[in-house]
This record gives sequence, C-alpha cells and structure tokens, in this order.
Amino acid sequence: KAGVTQTPRYLIKTRGQQVTLSCSPISGHRSVSWYQQTPGQGLQFLFEYFSETQRNKGNFPGRFSGRQFSNSRSEMNVSTLELGDSALYLCASSLSVLATNEKLFFGSGTQLSVL
Amino acid sequence: GENVEQHPSTLSVQEGDSAVIKCTYSDSASNYFPWYKQELGKGPQLIIDIRSNVGEKKDQRIAVTLNKTAKHFSLHITETQPEDSAVYFCAASMAGANSKLTFGKGITLSVRP
Repeated sequence: KAGVTQTPRYLIKTRGQQVTLSCSPISGHRSVSWYQQTPGQGLQFLFEYFSETQRNKGNFPGRFSGRQFSNSRSEMNVSTLELGDSALYLCASSLSVLATNEKLFFGSGTQLSVL
Repeated sequence: GENVEQHPSTLSVQEGDSAVIKCTYSDSASNYFPWYKQELGKGPQLIIDIRSNVGEKKDQRIAVTLNKTAKHFSLHITETQPEDSAVYFCAASMAGANSKLTFGKGITLSVRP
C-alpha cells in the first residue's frame, strides 16, 4: 500500500508570494493533518481535515489555509509568504479523525524556503 | 494546552548498548502516546505507541513504558545498531473534539559503531 505522498518535495519562493502544497493520503484514510517542522519549534500542528471539513486548527495566522477534496486529497496554501515560513511542511493521514486517537502516518514533507 | 518535553536533546550510545529516551507531559487527560523516528530527509515514522490503559508495550528491540501518575513515558531500545541513529519524537494526545498530537522537540540518537 502506498504511503502518504507530498508534492512538491522542494519549493523556493520569495517574500510576498503564495504557495500551494499537495498531499495524497494513504488509500482508505479519510483524515489529513498538516504540521510545520522547524529546528527551533519542532512539529507544530496546523490543521486537520476530515470529510472535506476542517476539524481542528492550530495557532497559526489566517495566511495558512487548507482544504480537502472528496477523494481525501488535501492542499495547504500559504499566502503573503514571510521569511519565517521557511520550514518542512508535513502531511499526515489517519483512518479516522484524530479525536479517536488514530495512528498518524506522515509523508516525507515539502521543504519550503522563502527568500 | 498539552506540553510535551524531551530531555536531553542528544544521546550517544555504543552499538549494542541500550538507549532510553524520556518524555514528560502536562495534561493528565492525555491518553495516547506514540513515538516517531525521523531519518534525514524523511518524514517521521511511527515506531511504537501506547495507550493509557496499559503500562508497557514491546515490539522486538523497542519498548515503551508509561507512568500516568508521574506523567512521563519512555522509549527503550535494546541492542542498538547504527541504523537506529535518527531523531526520535515523543507525542501525546487525548481523545476528543479538539484532539491533536502534541510533539516533544525531539532527541538526536547517535549509535557509535
């Protein structure tokens, strides 16, 4: 069974631009969560989507948004990029909602560099 | 909210020795505790998890113990091998509407050949 797939693997953007990251969950998984990983802050929860609805959101500004499609694939968007947005963005999928403490499986991430 | 701490930030052991990584959590309502291993250039990989209704779980060379009273849990790796070298993250969550995994900052384990 294929794992969580994230595209692209690397991105370089400049300040003020926007970016869209894509995530395909494990087949049959309906929940997708996004995390930001930086050396200083570790893994920080961004949001979770289940059945095309945002279930939970972390403490990030409104510039960070996401959506989920009917096939459970998810996209994350960051608008008006800032230097501090440089990070590894990780997508994770689970069978059901995080509220049931389902096992979470991560993709390899998208490394975003903002210049 | 939940706060998960890992100490120390780095650990070096000789190949064949055991390694123990400890984490503490702050919210007594947390009831799910997974451990992840992250190798360079890859995403975190779930290696073992434990729920609050058990005190210990083993899987080959890896074991996790949970002390709910003290609010800490530990990862034990026996007979370490060079391929065990990686960053290890502990995490905690509680079931419920606003559930999310809260991660520790990670510990870099180096296994010396």
